[in-house]
Amino acid sequence: DAMVIQNPRYQVTQFGKPVTLSCSQTLNHNVMYWYQQKSSQAPKLLFHYYDKDFNNEADTPDNFQSRRPNTSFCFLDIRSPGLGDAAMYLCATRDASTDTQYFGPGTRLTVL
Amino acid sequence: DAKTTQPPSMDCAEGRAANLPCNHSTISGNEYVYWYRQIHSQGPQYIIHGLKNNETNEMASLIITEDRKSSTLILPHATLRDTAVYYCIVRGSNQGGKLIFGQGTELSVKP
Repeated sequence: DAMVIQNPRYQVTQFGKPVTLSCSQTLNHNVMYWYQQKSSQAPKLLFHYYDKDFNNEADTPDNFQSRRPNTSFCFLDIRSPGLGDAAMYLCATRDASTDTQYFGPGTRLTVL
Repeated sequence: DAKTTQPPSMDCAEGRAANLPCNHSTISGNEYVYWYRQIHSQGPQYIIHGLKNNETNEMASLIITEDRKSSTLILPHATLRDTAVYYCIVRGSNQGGKLIFGQGTELSVKP
């Protein structure tokens, strides 16, 4: 089945140690999103790509960066994770024809 | 984007209809109403969206009032698997597809 895949599902890192989360899709959608969801809160958009065009949300910290080497893959890089960056990170794609987003299962990041 | 207001939580008996309200009194003419849900520890899932006409699909029905200031998501026969947080989101069609999530309604379907 076509889908959005996130690896790993659980990631543990140390305070200040760079970490990369990955997302891949078999849906061939042009748009990909990264959301952060902290405990008991709603998902919050960090940034998105329209093809290779990167769009950062105004309040996304500089500590968060992203790469999209091709249509299928998108990466979230956290340069120096702090304790406050512990969260679920959700990747999504958008089907422009139906204007719906398809979410992956998320990666839960723990910062020690 | 127009803000939405939803009750923080609701209960529903299994097999009964679940009616989830959403207020969006500042919605503008080109803004759509979207509903997503998030089952615990999963990514959000699209349910339905509409502009001004009522919509129905295999998951749910969306009823939008004539003045478009509020809407109701209806799950006609709720099951235990429908227990989730339901998000009502209002967005224009020209906003890059971005979803701004509010706090949502936590629906508990009980046996």
